[in-house]
Amino acid sequence: DAKTTQPTSMDCAEGRAANLPCNHSTISGNEYVYWYRQIHSQGPQYIIHGLKNNETNEMASLIITEDRKSSTLILPHATLRDTAVYYCIVRVSSNDYKLSFGAGTTVTVRA
Amino acid sequence: EPEVTQTPSHQVTQMGQEVILRCVPISNHLYFYWYRQILGQKVEFLVSFYNNEISEKSEIFDDQFSVERPDGSNFTLKIRSTKLEDSAMYFCASQSGAGGIYGYTFGSGTRLTVV
Repeated sequence: DAKTTQPTSMDCAEGRAANLPCNHSTISGNEYVYWYRQIHSQGPQYIIHGLKNNETNEMASLIITEDRKSSTLILPHATLRDTAVYYCIVRVSSNDYKLSFGAGTTVTVRA
Repeated sequence: EPEVTQTPSHQVTQMGQEVILRCVPISNHLYFYWYRQILGQKVEFLVSFYNNEISEKSEIFDDQFSVERPDGSNFTLKIRSTKLEDSAMYFCASQSGAGGIYGYTFGSGTRLTVV
């Protein structure tokens, strides 16, 4: 799987958008970009994933650059409950079922 | 929303004892996984299971570990003779189909403490 690079930490003001960057410059054509988060010591929670196109769901938006070498997860209106570690993971679409977690970005939402 | 259920939430065991961690995956899922997270460290893949056999396992998953799906609903992780370094959060996950278009669902974890 391609490696990803994320900032170690970031702060965000409650009610504002949080933009979380991820670099995956060695991504290959059949690899998806996944985002998960882990609140305290709970199990990782799926947020969103995409291949080429931008994606949006009830939790977040995922913007993937045209060359697919980087992406941004957008939490449109951050709340205190969004404080968590956010993981950007690149994964082959078949025959490789595991998720390889890095250190992620620790996001702290402040009132 | 369907959930992956893990029991117990916390298990304390003596070094050298066997432990079985239990998971009930989402009912129509086909792929099952165990991960672990030592306190303050990354989430690490242990093993994947499909069609009643192990698909892939990591270096961590040595002969002391085994997995089983005994009755078509439960998915268990057994550690035969626990060591202090097995103390960690253990997460079960399930997935409905292979490939990148399907997301995983994780359980809330079992905190294993080996004393």
